[in-house]
Amino acid sequence: KNEVEQSPQNLTAQEGEFITINCSYSVGISALHWLQQHPGGGIVSLFMLSSGKKKHGRLIATINIQEKHSSLHITASHPRDSAVYICAVRVNNQGGKLIFGQGTELSVKP
Amino acid sequence: EAQVTQNPRYLITVTGKKLTVTCSQNMNHEYMSWYRQDPGLGLRQIYYSMNVEVTDKGDVPEGYKVSRKEKRNFPLILESPSPNQTSLYFCASSPSGPYGYTFGSGTRLTVV
Repeated sequence: KNEVEQSPQNLTAQEGEFITINCSYSVGISALHWLQQHPGGGIVSLFMLSSGKKKHGRLIATINIQEKHSSLHITASHPRDSAVYICAVRVNNQGGKLIFGQGTELSVKP
Repeated sequence: EAQVTQNPRYLITVTGKKLTVTCSQNMNHEYMSWYRQDPGLGLRQIYYSMNVEVTDKGDVPEGYKVSRKEKRNFPLILESPSPNQTSLYFCASSPSGPYGYTFGSGTRLTVV
């Protein structure tokens, strides 16, 4: 079993829909990161969370440390949101060690 | 412009021929790291560095070397590349503490 599990692995949505991507982890962490990778490969850091909730535009990220679970929400989805979304955890007491989820491939249709 | 620069972007090489992929950042970040990305396996960490002269293994360090002699540079060295090191490689950096990462554009390496 992977230490970081994302669901779903693939997601197709219609433009305007509310989207949720989930990330569960089984290790102690100091932070959780959400990353976005567009076709063509570039990776962008969306959020870094150690507790609570963060919002940037139409994107919202939450984390529940007790339940070892994080969600990434996209409101009013748009075709330009089509990308792979990756959850990564920074492992507690292991310096800079990062473990990644497998990614969620999102396609938003017009 | 604040950025992480990787070179080369694309590289085809032969088995056993030593190569170096360079990574440089202009943000005075303490933390730098290398990852490889493979279909079906996702991103995996190769090595990371918390600061100059401080490096540590990630999940898949076998066959790779790194060094951090200067804060801005963190080269990835493949002393004897093999076909199973064909992959897409990313370098990233961040300040120490709870901050996000800045990624390089990636290096697509093919070892034949």
